Amino acid sequence: NAGVTQTPKFRVLKTGQSMTLLCAQDMNHEYMYWYRQDPGMGLRLIHYSVGEGTTAKGEVPDGYNVSRLKKQNFLLGLESAAPSQTSVYFCASSPRLGRGVDEQFFGPGTRLTVL
Amino acid sequence: DAKTTQPPSMDCAEGRAANLPCNHSTISGNEYVYWYRQIHSQGPQYIIHGLKNNETNEMASLIITEDRKSSTLILPHATLRDTAVYYCIVRESYTNAGKSTFGDGTTLTVKP
Repeated sequence: NAGVTQTPKFRVLKTGQSMTLLCAQDMNHEYMYWYRQDPGMGLRLIHYSVGEGTTAKGEVPDGYNVSRLKKQNFLLGLESAAPSQTSVYFCASSPRLGRGVDEQFFGPGTRLTVL
Repeated sequence: DAKTTQPPSMDCAEGRAANLPCNHSTISGNEYVYWYRQIHSQGPQYIIHGLKNNETNEMASLIITEDRKSSTLILPHATLRDTAVYYCIVRESYTNAGKSTFGDGTTLTVKP
């Protein structure tokens, strides 16, 4: 199994450009998440999904949109990139097992720079 | 969700036990304690979680105080590869997925 993969690994955008980050998981997990991590800081939740066709806002959703048309894929879109969105973006997935089990599996990250 | 407080950094000698504390004084009865770590700039890695009882797995042990207001992650024999940022998170498991935010964590440096 590949686990959680993210595409692309690196990207440089100009202010105002748009792009889509792709996250894919092959573990049949119900839950998927998008986080951003700024230098020297922890991870902040942008959006998440508890199942195919559903999405919800996290802590810092402004400026981002998401879609989960297929269970294995979770897309993060930036409609009009801003320098404040320069960050490392991590995707994660987790199964729904109950009893407090909530192990999130993370992808390798996408390093995005907005000039 | 309960907020957590961790020391920003700690050192540990290689081969010794590393004890990483976490305060979560406002934890509620339904909230679990989760620990993750992040090595370099990789994605975080799950370590362990617990509700009330102490837990142990192949990576670490988790000690939760009786009043559940604090916990300690123990790496019994730290190696150089354990140098990482360690995050303590408190939440109601997957039923509260929208509260899954990682704080600044503790940077553990294992020294030879």
